[in-house]
Amino acid sequence: GAVVSQHPSWVICKSGTSVKIECRSLDFQATTMFWYRQFPKQSLMLMATSNEGSKATYEQGVEKDKFLINHASLTLSTLTVTSAHPEDSSFYICSARDQSGVYEQYFGPGTRLTVT
Amino acid sequence: RKEVEQDPGPFNVPEGATVAFNCTYSNSASQSFFWYRQDCRKEPKLLMSVYSSGNEDGRFTAQLNRASQYISLLIRDSKLSDSATYLCVVVSGAGKSTFGDGTTLTVKP
Repeated sequence: GAVVSQHPSWVICKSGTSVKIECRSLDFQATTMFWYRQFPKQSLMLMATSNEGSKATYEQGVEKDKFLINHASLTLSTLTVTSAHPEDSSFYICSARDQSGVYEQYFGPGTRLTVT
Repeated sequence: RKEVEQDPGPFNVPEGATVAFNCTYSNSASQSFFWYRQDCRKEPKLLMSVYSSGNEDGRFTAQLNRASQYISLLIRDSKLSDSATYLCVVVSGAGKSTFGDGTTLTVKP
């Protein structure tokens, strides 16, 4: 149980284009989903927390107009990197927490984004 | 001071060794604690929860010390496959999860 999928697993795009990443909880309902970014050999950096049906809460320094998050259902959250630039190249990982009140997070396999 | 701090590592140990990691946290009202494992270029995976009474899963033992505000992870009889980065996670009363920066373990033959 507690499986989270992410799509795509990797993407290469040109500078200036937008990229959408999907995060799905496959066997549970996720009231809360998290989006992280991780640069090589660095720690996870929380970008934003999204709750189903409400606006995402962004961490300080994360531009909400650049990283659009939509959590329209209890099983799906999307992150859109708008007007991507090479410095946005990173490993983006989502995680989900279920409704049980227990605070484990289950992570998706991540999306490796390369902007050329 | 960071909310969650881990031993910086890296830890390089021979197979069969016992190794322990500590993680300290600053928020005394924290309510849940976890250890995750992250392999290179992969997502973190939940290793185990941490309870005040201690939690053992095979070769892994996790402990919580609320008075001193730290959690620990002990790995006995290290295997090559234990090589990874170990992340501690502390969850506040409001449900916010804070990750440590991770401790890298390399088990050598």
